[in-house]
Amino acid sequence: GAVVSQHPSRVICKSGTSVKIECRSLDFQATTMFWYRQFPKQSLMLMATSNEGSKATYEQGVEKDKFLINHASLTLSTLTVTSAHPEDSSFYICSASGRERDQPQHFGDGTRLSIL
Amino acid sequence: EDQVTQSPEALRLQEGESSSLNCSYTVSGLRGLFWYRQDPGKGPEFLFTLYSAGEEKEKERLKATLTKKESFLHITAPKPEDSATYLCAVRGHTGRRALTFGSGTRLQVQP
Repeated sequence: GAVVSQHPSRVICKSGTSVKIECRSLDFQATTMFWYRQFPKQSLMLMATSNEGSKATYEQGVEKDKFLINHASLTLSTLTVTSAHPEDSSFYICSASGRERDQPQHFGDGTRLSIL
Repeated sequence: EDQVTQSPEALRLQEGESSSLNCSYTVSGLRGLFWYRQDPGKGPEFLFTLYSAGEEKEKERLKATLTKKESFLHITAPKPEDSATYLCAVRGHTGRRALTFGSGTRLQVQP
């Protein structure tokens, strides 16, 4: 099946640090990638949708200057959490979808971000 | 606005005890209902896509069904390795490719 790789799996850093998370589709071309945030025992909250070569579309309440998303190629999207603070600590998960409109999304294994 | 409600929130079964998980949804024109399995600390793993009422999909001990208002994930003779959170999501006809997820059912199967 389709494989999505997310890196790093865990990050622990000091407040004020910027953190970059990578999401790669390994065996298919991901025309659309999604970034989610998940709190303990809660479901996935969509943060933004990005199409290759275009600016990301952010969900209401998500700060675009805080969460920078780049989708420069058909296999790579990055999420940068800028000047991270403890309230940004969470589980961030990316997913990718191919060209066919109704294809399922395939998810990475997530990044546990802990800001001290 | 698309909405997905899953029940029960948590379910504990004995090994071999069959049961069903429910996913109720409201969506402006269903373009797909998706079932995922999520293990702790991992991303969701794709299980099934259902597109129209009456459709059924099976994979090992799991069977997903779909009506116009809800979907069921039937688990037959579950094993401890089936323990996970099962997530349901929908995609509507709004033009967005994003999914709307339910809050999931945490399943624990005891030996």
